[in-house]
Amino acid sequence: AQRVTQPEKLLSVFKGAPVELKCNYSYSGSPELFWYVQYSRQRLQLLLRHISRESIKGFTADLNKGETSFHLKKPFAQEEDSAMYYCAPPNDYKLSFGAGTTVTVRA
Amino acid sequence: NAGVMQNPRHLVRRRGQEARLRCSPMKGHSHVYWYRQLPEEGLKFMVYLQKENIIDESGMPKERFSAEFPKEGPSILRIQQVVRGDSAAYFCASAEQGNYGYTFGSGTRLTVV
Repeated sequence: AQRVTQPEKLLSVFKGAPVELKCNYSYSGSPELFWYVQYSRQRLQLLLRHISRESIKGFTADLNKGETSFHLKKPFAQEEDSAMYYCAPPNDYKLSFGAGTTVTVRA
Repeated sequence: NAGVMQNPRHLVRRRGQEARLRCSPMKGHSHVYWYRQLPEEGLKFMVYLQKENIIDESGMPKERFSAEFPKEGPSILRIQQVVRGDSAAYFCASAEQGNYGYTFGSGTRLTVV
């Protein structure tokens, strides 16, 4: 089974500063990984899937097999990026979620 | 397409009562997932259903909790004899087969008093 660790429960950055949310996985094969985001008073929604290798809302995430990581990064954080972020691996045909990281972007 | 609809949005129950949470998946989605979010905790998987079948209920407490997804109508998560520890936000998601791009509902916030 794939497992992920999101070591930071809370992350606070200033507007315009880079932001990186850590996600480490434990899986010996080729993992599938996703990032989901929940903005205040909104539904949880898919942000990124590693297989697509695209940038959404300025966020990117690279799968690093050597470090077994799938960190989410954005070079210049915006206030609207304040949200809860979940790293999510599939396990047995359903998604499981990490503990989540709450990001606060300060003006 | 209205997306995933959950109702009620808020539900208050006294200890010992039953709670019924409903989830209507997105049109065309045949897979439904229920998750629970406890205060200060992340999302915990509860159960995965397809029409008329429970595929994986490994995250469901063994007692008092049950789920169904009938041929017609919404998926129901039922909690009997609720206790204060059941107070949480319950989220439903739906997806097409083999697709991990889930569509989530707004959740039902259950408060047990």
